[in-house]
Amino acid sequence: SQQGEEDPQALSIQEGENATMNCSYKTSINNLQWYRQNSGRGLVHLILIRSNEREKHSGRLRVTLDTSKKSSSLLITASRAADTASYFCATDWSGGYQKVTFGTGTKLQVIP
Amino acid sequence: DSGVTQTPKHLITATGQRVTLRCSPRSGDLSVYWYQQSLDQGLQFLIQYYNGEERAKGNILERFSAQQFPDLHSELNLSSLELGDSALYFCASSVGEGDTEAFFGQGTRLTVV
Repeated sequence: SQQGEEDPQALSIQEGENATMNCSYKTSINNLQWYRQNSGRGLVHLILIRSNEREKHSGRLRVTLDTSKKSSSLLITASRAADTASYFCATDWSGGYQKVTFGTGTKLQVIP
Repeated sequence: DSGVTQTPKHLITATGQRVTLRCSPRSGDLSVYWYQQSLDQGLQFLIQYYNGEERAKGNILERFSAQQFPDLHSELNLSSLELGDSALYFCASSVGEGDTEAFFGQGTRLTVV
């Protein structure tokens, strides 16, 4: 089963609005990463947050991490049509070996 | 350009056949990961190698195998192909074993007919 699960599965917003995506995971982690995937293309790394961090910013992106709830959120502010993509969270699942395990993704559509 | 190179970009083959997908990681990266992404699905972790050694296995079928060579490039072998194996196969690399950013190739789109 997937380590991470994103919510919602799909999100449609108007350009200029904020988009929030959530990720829940099952086991303890050392870090959590967010990636973006444009349709049928490779994934692009957005941000990495370590387990001892609670919040991190990168441009229009804000990521929070709540290890007690095993959840993270990605906020994209002032969205643009170019933000239309699928967003995945990934954890370095501490289940024996470290490996980057992805959730099922949130499809974001930003309408111009 | 992530620095990770996957070849070929597209592959169309018949059921029952065998194919090999190749991945060249970024210079200096020791970890290579393989993922399968079926239509509208998330990424399924298949297998990870670190410096030539298998480190972790995910949902990889017995018909699939992989290896990482001394020059750190990796190959994913898919045999006895079935229609359901049609998917995008991604390779990613990272410096460490999961505690650092992973860089993805553009993927190989496999179509089994």
